[in-house]
Amino acid sequence: NAGVTQTPKFQVLKTGQSMTLQCAQDMNHEYMSWYRQDPGMGLRLIHYSVGAGITDQGEVPNGYNVSRSTTEDFPLRLLSAAPSQTSVYFCASSYSSHRGGEQYFGPGTRLTVT
Amino acid sequence: AQKVTQAQTEISVVEKEDVTLDCVYETRDTTYYLFWYKQPPSGELVFLIRRNSFDEQNEISGRYSWNFQKSTSSFNFTITASQVVDSAVYFCALSEETGRRALTFGSGTRLQVQP
Repeated sequence: NAGVTQTPKFQVLKTGQSMTLQCAQDMNHEYMSWYRQDPGMGLRLIHYSVGAGITDQGEVPNGYNVSRSTTEDFPLRLLSAAPSQTSVYFCASSYSSHRGGEQYFGPGTRLTVT
Repeated sequence: AQKVTQAQTEISVVEKEDVTLDCVYETRDTTYYLFWYKQPPSGELVFLIRRNSFDEQNEISGRYSWNFQKSTSSFNFTITASQVVDSAVYFCALSEETGRRALTFGSGTRLQVQP
């Protein structure tokens, strides 16, 4: 099992550009989510999905879109990048049947917007 | 709304010292789950422990121990005889039985263990 994979590891964008951060898991987890990590603020939830075809907003969803067409993949789209989106992005997945279950995190994508 | 507070921003200790990382949480749910994650300098998030709200037993795993006290809404983490490899940022997190099923993280405590 590869677990949760994220690509790319690093990305530099110019203000206004768009891009997609990829996230995939091979554990057949129904629940997937995206967090961003900023210095001194811990991780904050951007969007999440409880299964294919179902997504919902987290704490900081503005400027981001998601879709979930398969169980395995949960891409995060930045529509028009802004310097405030400079952050480290983590994707996570877990079994849906157990709310207290461990969330498995990907290795992260470090994004810089200039 | 749920909230996790880690008041210690940074702690520096000398190797072999014991160190306790504090975590205080707020939730209205009676069923919830508490977690600790470690983030070493390499950046990945490493799961350390999960505790549900009905299990107040303290837990020990090697040099690590956790003290869960519902009366004070705290879930503190102690490293005994710290080592340089323990240097990392440690996050406490909360997940509620209702709602989004996501983790609410504290802001983290950076632990530096000096040789």
